[in-house]
Amino acid sequence: DTGVSQDPRHKITKRGQNVTFRCDPISEHNRLYWYRQTLGQGPEFLTYFQNEAQLEKSRLLSDRFSAERPKGSFSTLEIQRTEQGDSAMYLCASSSGGDRGFYQPQHFGDGTRLSIL
Amino acid sequence: AQKVTQAQTEISVVEKEDVTLDCVYETRDTTYYLFWYKQPPSGELVFLIRRNSFDEQNEISGRYSWNFQKSTSSFNFTITASQVVDSAVYFCALSEAGGGSEKLVFGKGMKLTVNP
Repeated sequence: DTGVSQDPRHKITKRGQNVTFRCDPISEHNRLYWYRQTLGQGPEFLTYFQNEAQLEKSRLLSDRFSAERPKGSFSTLEIQRTEQGDSAMYLCASSSGGDRGFYQPQHFGDGTRLSIL
Repeated sequence: AQKVTQAQTEISVVEKEDVTLDCVYETRDTTYYLFWYKQPPSGELVFLIRRNSFDEQNEISGRYSWNFQKSTSSFNFTITASQVVDSAVYFCALSEAGGGSEKLVFGKGMKLTVNP
């Protein structure tokens, strides 16, 4: 069973640049989540997809952030005009579920660590 | 509002000691799930255990056991006979059933160091 895959593992960029991260969930999982984790903190929810539909967004997801999951498989998270405060680990998770998917645990990828110079 | 509190920030033990990680949660939902995840130095969050709000039966799974008490809103996790490989940051998390996304709300984590 292939786990959740994220690319790249690390990204270093200058303030003001745009960055895009990719997440490939476990193949049969229809739910996909993005979280952000800063040093010394637990992950914080950013957004959620069920298949290709983005159904929930956190207030943490400013206008500079956009996420897509065009075919209900992989997802991308783009940050435009990056700021120092965007430096964090961005985690992707997936789970399976239909009407009763609530009980399925989320499985996480290794994350993409973003550093803004 | 959902909230998870892990009062301990860091614990250091010697191998083979038992260690208990505390977790207190807040939720207004009557249906919810509680989780423990482990994050080793490599960074990946690893799912350990899950409990639903209707089942307060405490269980043991290998060296792991948990104590879920709705009366005190606590979900404590014990590692028996700790090993060096248990060294990691441990997160308690809550997921509400009524929210639709079942997003996870995490505590701040507790760093466990097991020394040989």
